[in-house]
Amino acid sequence: EDKVVQSPLSLVVHEGDTVTLNCSYEVTNFRSLLWYKQEKKAPTFLFMLTSSGIEKKSGRLSSILDKKELFSILNITATQTGDSAVYLCAVEGTTYGGATNKLIFGTGTLLAVQP
Amino acid sequence: DAGVIQSPRHEVTEMGQEVTLRCKPISGHNSLFWYRQTMMRGLELLIYFNNNVPIDDSGMPEDRFSAKMPNASFSTLKIQPSEPRDSAVYFCASTFRRANEKLFFGSGTQLSVL
Repeated sequence: EDKVVQSPLSLVVHEGDTVTLNCSYEVTNFRSLLWYKQEKKAPTFLFMLTSSGIEKKSGRLSSILDKKELFSILNITATQTGDSAVYLCAVEGTTYGGATNKLIFGTGTLLAVQP
Repeated sequence: DAGVIQSPRHEVTEMGQEVTLRCKPISGHNSLFWYRQTMMRGLELLIYFNNNVPIDDSGMPEDRFSAKMPNASFSTLKIQPSEPRDSAVYFCASTFRRANEKLFFGSGTQLSVL
């Protein structure tokens, strides 16, 4: 069965700290791994990773994928209170025959950044 | 564009009642997804439409759940009869050509079944 496991489940840090969020997966016919940020409402897209070892970066956020070990990390440096959110990892696989690019989501990591 | 629009934002109902959730995808998007989010199970895909046709409904929990997409700008998710275990946030999301990196979520419907 396809699955995505995120750790830790929750994390409390102080402003300025650096955090690393983890995502491991098992999925049939892996196509890509995506990270989303969910504040109070809808998840919003952060990164899409398809190749091992190539870092994606956006400001203080960065992410990398290891397709051999089947995991990804999301790093946030110099955290701010606005980074407080649930961070979701999702893996895109295909059903048999490639009919659906289904996203399998982890349960997320709840990050709280204290002033 | 106003984004993906869902209604209602909140729904409180009693067990056994019919519930209908509505979604208007972003104009021009041809793929639409219904997800359910709970603390225990996270975000789960319920059903996926491509060009208004249901492609994968393997995530629909049981026959009490049904979804329709009569045209490119409207979809509904119906639960009949509703049960307390259906309480969750239901998200609709849309994209073009199944591009997951361009997947946009609506603000969700918070459903509480008493």
